[in-house]
Amino acid sequence: QSALTQEASVSGTVGQKVTLSCTGNNNNIGSNPVGWYQQISHGAPKTVMFADSLPSGIPDRFSGSKSGTTASLTISGLQPEDEADYYCGTWDYTLSAYVFGSGTKVTVL
Amino acid sequence: QVQLVQSGGEVKRPGSSVKLSCKASGVTYSTHVVGWVRQAPGQGLEWMGGLIPILEPVTSAQKFQGRVTFTADVATSTAYLVVSSLRSDDTGVYYCVRVDPAGALDIWGQGTVVTVSA
Repeated sequence: QSALTQEASVSGTVGQKVTLSCTGNNNNIGSNPVGWYQQISHGAPKTVMFADSLPSGIPDRFSGSKSGTTASLTISGLQPEDEADYYCGTWDYTLSAYVFGSGTKVTVL
Repeated sequence: QVQLVQSGGEVKRPGSSVKLSCKASGVTYSTHVVGWVRQAPGQGLEWMGGLIPILEPVTSAQKFQGRVTFTADVATSTAYLVVSSLRSDDTGVYYCVRVDPAGALDIWGQGTVVTVSA
């Protein structure tokens, strides 16, 4: 069972805005910045967001936010190449570990 | 440009050990930190541990304690993971990932497939 809770799946049409959520507790999301990781067709994960910062090369249609113990990743203007599994993650120092969500499958209709 | 290049796939017998490597290019190892993440077939991402200063003295997640060892060779900018007493449920893809000073997992290796089978 994952420490962070994510929706199993989210879908949208090209150009639509979709928002993925990630819920934890005060020991993890409530205390530390959240990362979001994109995994296309079981390839290597790629970091698409850390806290509210976009890594170099990631399109600005991706944005991140956090409120309390829930973080969100928004894709504004969904594109076919965004179809992937998305995992959230953050540190939990009470566990001395990095914890991940179970992942959300994004489908572009 | 920083890249992490991992060693090739491995097939191992139950009870044996495997040593995986993760070589960094474009940065000196002393300036970055590497963690390890496992993905079992059809499953999500699972943190294993690493030589992470913010977690010291703990190196591995509780699930793996006693079975994994993390080392690093600064001269060659290479991180290593040894998993011992392999079981069939250790089968999966093992990723190394750079942890930046802010705690971001920012650069991932391409992954190493480990198959444990009798």
